[in-house]
Amino acid sequence: AQSVSQHNHHVILSEAASLELGCNYSYGGTVNLFWYVQYPGQHLQLLLKYFSGDPLVKGIKGFEAEFIKSKFSFNLRKPSVQWSDTAEYFCAVNPNSGGYQKVTFGIGTKLQVIP
Amino acid sequence: DTAVSQTPKYLVTQMGNDKSIKCEQNLGHDTMYWYKQDSKKFLKIMFSYNNKELIINETVPNRFSPKSPDKAHLNLHINSLELGDSAVYFCASSQARIAGGPTDTQYFGPGTRLTVL
Repeated sequence: AQSVSQHNHHVILSEAASLELGCNYSYGGTVNLFWYVQYPGQHLQLLLKYFSGDPLVKGIKGFEAEFIKSKFSFNLRKPSVQWSDTAEYFCAVNPNSGGYQKVTFGIGTKLQVIP
Repeated sequence: DTAVSQTPKYLVTQMGNDKSIKCEQNLGHDTMYWYKQDSKKFLKIMFSYNNKELIINETVPNRFSPKSPDKAHLNLHINSLELGDSAVYFCASSQARIAGGPTDTQYFGPGTRLTVL
């Protein structure tokens, strides 16, 4: 079974600082990878996803993530965070096995951006 | 327009009661899911339905019974509620039931916060 590790559970940054959130997964085959964001009091929304092609994926609100297959990683980055980026960020993996979707989420990283 | 909606948003009840949470999606998707998010924010899949057919059941206690009257609705009924059932329950839907493509993105509802006293 696949698993997802998010290394930073709580990150505090000042506005304009750069962000990198780590995500590693374990699965022997091909995967689809996702980052979801949950703003305070809101539901999960898709930030970006990788399913094939260019391993550098650009998402909404200036976020990007890079899939490094050899490292089983899919780290999320943003060059300059804003106060409105304060939220919980979840990395997720879906094995591309041709079987039913069975997304596994990481435990989440709480990002707090200080004005 | 709400893509995936859930009712109620909050549910507070006593141990031993039976309760239901409803979910509806207007995206025309074939596949729907229930997830449980515990107090530590860990999100875990419970069930998946494709066109009213159960396709994933993640060893959830049989006190939890999903019901899908049609492919746009997936309700969750919980019998004999226990303290450990307190969590946020999220419904989600996707166009594809098979993993591995651009259509396997899941769209989430706003969640139902269940508190069992």
